[in-house]
Amino acid sequence: GAGVSQTPSNKVTEKGKYVELRCDPISGHTALYWYRQSLGQGPEFLIYFQGTGAADDSGLPNDRFFAVRPEGSVSTLKIQRTERGDSAVYLCASSLGLAGQETQYFGPGTRLLVL
Amino acid sequence: AQKITQTQPGMFVQEKEAVTLDCTYDTSDQSYGLFWYKQPSSGEMIFLIYQGSYDEQNATEGRYSLNFQKARKSANLVISASQLGDSAMYFCAMREGYNDYKLSFGAGTTVTVRA
Repeated sequence: GAGVSQTPSNKVTEKGKYVELRCDPISGHTALYWYRQSLGQGPEFLIYFQGTGAADDSGLPNDRFFAVRPEGSVSTLKIQRTERGDSAVYLCASSLGLAGQETQYFGPGTRLLVL
Repeated sequence: AQKITQTQPGMFVQEKEAVTLDCTYDTSDQSYGLFWYKQPSSGEMIFLIYQGSYDEQNATEGRYSLNFQKARKSANLVISASQLGDSAMYFCAMREGYNDYKLSFGAGTTVTVRA
C-alpha cells in the first residue's frame, strides 16, 4: 500500500527498558510528525520533521524521548528508561510539507504497553 | 488554554439521519487550518475534511460538510445520511500560523449510528 506504515503494531516492554518505534511515511512526503494518544483522549503532538531535521520538538515530554530521520524518509522514535506512564498509542503522520498541501495522513499507530 | 474544544463526548444518531458535531477553537493567528478526522475502533486516523481560515466557502467532501463560522470560532462537522459505518470517534484539529504544521486536537466525540 501507499499509506503511512508503522512497526511494530504492538509493543510490550518492562519498566526501565529502551524501545524504538518506526515510521515509514508516504513516498514524497517531506514532513513527518509523531503524536501520542492516551486512552480516551485526542492525539498530542510530540515532534515534527521537515526533511532530515527536527523543525519542532516542543512536544517531547522529557529527555527520555528522542526521534531521528537520518535520510529524510523513515523515522524512529526512541524512548529510554520507559515508564508506565509512557503507555499509549504512538501515531505517525506525514504530509507534503507545503503551505496549502498540509493535510496529514496517519499510520495505524504503535500500541506501547509498559509493564 | 484549550485550543480545540469538543463539548459532546458521545452522540447517538439514527441511520440515514444527519448529525452535527461541534468544534470551537481558540487562536490569535490570522492564518490557520481546521481539520476533521475519523477514528474507528481499529485505531487509524482517517482524514475527512479541511477548511482554511481564508476560505470563504464552507468545505464539503461527499457526505461531510464543515460549517465554518469564523466570527464565532466554530467549525462544526455535519455528516448527512448517516451510515452504520460512520460509528467512530471524531476529532477536530487545528493548525496555527503559516509555517507551523503541527496539529492540536480536541478530545473527540464518539458517534454511534443506530439501525
